[in-house]
Amino acid sequence: AQSVAQPEDQVNVAEGNPLTVKCTYSVSGNPYLFWYVQYPNRGLQFLLKYITGDNLVKGSYGFEAEFNKSQTSFHLKKPSALVSDSALYFCAVRERGATNKLIFGTGTLLAVQP
Amino acid sequence: ETGVTQSPTHLIKTRGQQVTLRCSSQSGHNTVSWYQQALGQGPQFIFQYYREEENGRGNFPPRFSGLQFPNYSSELNVNALELDDSALYLCASSLGSGWGDTQYFGPGTRLTVL
Repeated sequence: AQSVAQPEDQVNVAEGNPLTVKCTYSVSGNPYLFWYVQYPNRGLQFLLKYITGDNLVKGSYGFEAEFNKSQTSFHLKKPSALVSDSALYFCAVRERGATNKLIFGTGTLLAVQP
Repeated sequence: ETGVTQSPTHLIKTRGQQVTLRCSSQSGHNTVSWYQQALGQGPQFIFQYYREEENGRGNFPPRFSGLQFPNYSSELNVNALELDDSALYLCASSLGSGWGDTQYFGPGTRLTVL
């Protein structure tokens, strides 16, 4: 079965510092991986996805993610955190099958301190 | 371009009642998926509709049902509501159900069952 794991419930970082939100995956075959962000009482906003190609994927709002096949990881990164980046971040993998069903991790709360 | 919209924003029902949630997909998108997000958890896939046909279903009982209309808008119906149905219900639309098709989410409907 396909799955993703987000090992950290919360990540704290100071504004201006680089941030990393971790995600590892378990899939059979090639993974199709996504990152979404959720602000309080809001739906999910798409940040970026890895389908194939370059291991470094660039997305919205200055975020990027590094796909590492040997470590089965897809960590989300940003060089300089903003207070407005504080939100809940979800990693997801597309399930193999007829639908593009996403299987989500449990989420990581990012708190950026001013 | 109009994004995914959902109605109502909030809803309060009592146990045993029935509820209908509505979703308008993003312009040009023919695929709609529904997810349930319980408090503190990642979204869980309920089902997906592609061109008015259900083409995949998650681990939810038959009292969760849906429809997709010719304009690709969609409804989620839940019968015989239970307390555990209290959650944020998210609708997502995509161009199709292919491997690389990104799902774009609406703001969600917060359902409370008393």
